[in-house]
Amino acid sequence: ETGVTQTPRHLVMGMTNKKSLKCEQHLGHNAMYWYKQSAKKPLELMFVYSLEERVENNSVPSRFSPECPNSSHLFLHLHTLQPEDSALYLCASSRQAEGREQYFGPGTRLTVT
Amino acid sequence: GNSVTQMEGPVTLSEEAFLTINCTYTATGYPSLFWYVQYPGEGLQLLLKATKADDKGSNKGFEATYRKETTSFHLEKGSVQVSDSAVYFCARGDKLIFGTGTRLQVFP
Repeated sequence: ETGVTQTPRHLVMGMTNKKSLKCEQHLGHNAMYWYKQSAKKPLELMFVYSLEERVENNSVPSRFSPECPNSSHLFLHLHTLQPEDSALYLCASSRQAEGREQYFGPGTRLTVT
Repeated sequence: GNSVTQMEGPVTLSEEAFLTINCTYTATGYPSLFWYVQYPGEGLQLLLKATKADDKGSNKGFEATYRKETTSFHLEKGSVQVSDSAVYFCARGDKLIFGTGTRLQVFP
């Protein structure tokens, strides 16, 4: 149990669908992150939120839209995705002042058909 | 530049063998360094960390020493077990940069 949960664990969606990934942390952290993990590629940082404000967006396509309504919850809204967006999407959280030691959720395995 | 480079895998070992997974970084300063482990079907878990030069992080028999002279943070374990089979990631804490991961397979 890492204190970071993600739902759903698996998702299959067509290119015209709209879906959302959810992340919740129970650790009292105030920073949250979305990562994309694809086979044989480095872990890609997508978004960073600190105190519910987005502080980094690493040139992610607009078909990915994050939302952080409070320090415990993070969403990733998906629409008109491409097959190359199929990957494991990982959420993480951390306490800002501690060198960014991160705690990860189990991930959502996304398949775009 | 800002990067983290770790050795290609897979690393295949017999149980009780000695493990080294190399990691080097480029940075203008001295960022915190981490090793994370990912077991099949799970997210990444922090394995150990070092926050300044010459620090040694250790956990579950794994060790890594922050060496600024060689800009390295190699992961070592004296005697691996089958349960250590996983993917290991080296990472910089300041820029949130991860290595590509090294798969370790340990056979009985």
